[in-house]
Amino acid sequence: EVQLVESGGGLVQAGGSLRLSCAGSGFIFSSEWMSWVRQAPGKGLEWVANIKEDGSAKYYVDSVKGRFTISRDNAKNSMYVEMNSLTVEDTAVYYCATEIWYRFDHWGQGTLVTVSS
Amino acid sequence: QSALTQPPSASGSPGQSVAISCTGTSSDIGGYNYVSWYQQRPGKAPRLMIYEVSKRPSGVPDRFSGSKSDNTASLTVSGLQAEDEADYYCSAYAGNNNKVFGGGTKLTVL
Repeated sequence: EVQLVESGGGLVQAGGSLRLSCAGSGFIFSSEWMSWVRQAPGKGLEWVANIKEDGSAKYYVDSVKGRFTISRDNAKNSMYVEMNSLTVEDTAVYYCATEIWYRFDHWGQGTLVTVSS
Repeated sequence: QSALTQPPSASGSPGQSVAISCTGTSSDIGGYNYVSWYQQRPGKAPRLMIYEVSKRPSGVPDRFSGSKSDNTASLTVSGLQAEDEADYYCSAYAGNNNKVFGGGTKLTVL
C-alpha cells in the first residue's frame, strides 16, 4: 500500500522559513516524480512544485519561484521543500503526492503551514 | 481566481446523474488530453477519480465518467449515492510542466 507522510508544518512569522518533509513507502520511491500541492483554508488546490525521479529536474509555480526549493533523498525515500520569505498567502495545508503524466495518483494526509503577520 | 472555472455547487437526488463542468482555454484543457478529477471529503486528502480525460484508476466505481469537448471538461456521476457527497476538483496540464486546478465544486446529494 502506498503511503505518504508529510511533516514539518507549523506556525511561522511572515518573512520566516520552514522545511517540510514527505516520507514515502509501499512503492519504488526513486521511480516516481513527486509533487507538492497546497490548499489554503477553505480554498481550492494549487500545484506548487515537482521534482523528477533522480532530482535532475525541478519545476515551480510562479508564485513560489526563488523562495521555495524542492529536493529529494532517494536513499531515505523522502522529499523536501525548503520555504523561505514566507508570506500570509503561503498559509495552507501542504500535500505531497506522486505524479505521473501530469496527474496526482497518491496523496499524503497533509501538513498545515500557518504564516502570521 | 482559479485557472480553470467550475461551478461552486451541484446537486442531485440519490440515483440521479449529475455533471460538473470545468472550463479552461486552448492552452490547458483544449491543448492536451491531460485532464484529471479529484474527490475530496471534508478533512481528507484528495483522491484521484479520473485521469487523461476519461480513464478511471482501479477501485473507482464506473459510476464516475469523464469527457472533454474543446476547452471544457466534464465529470459525470451516475446513480448518485450519499457517499458521493464531496468537493470535486478538475486539473489540467498547461504546458512547461505546469498543472492548474479548478476552484472546486461542492456536490450535494439531496
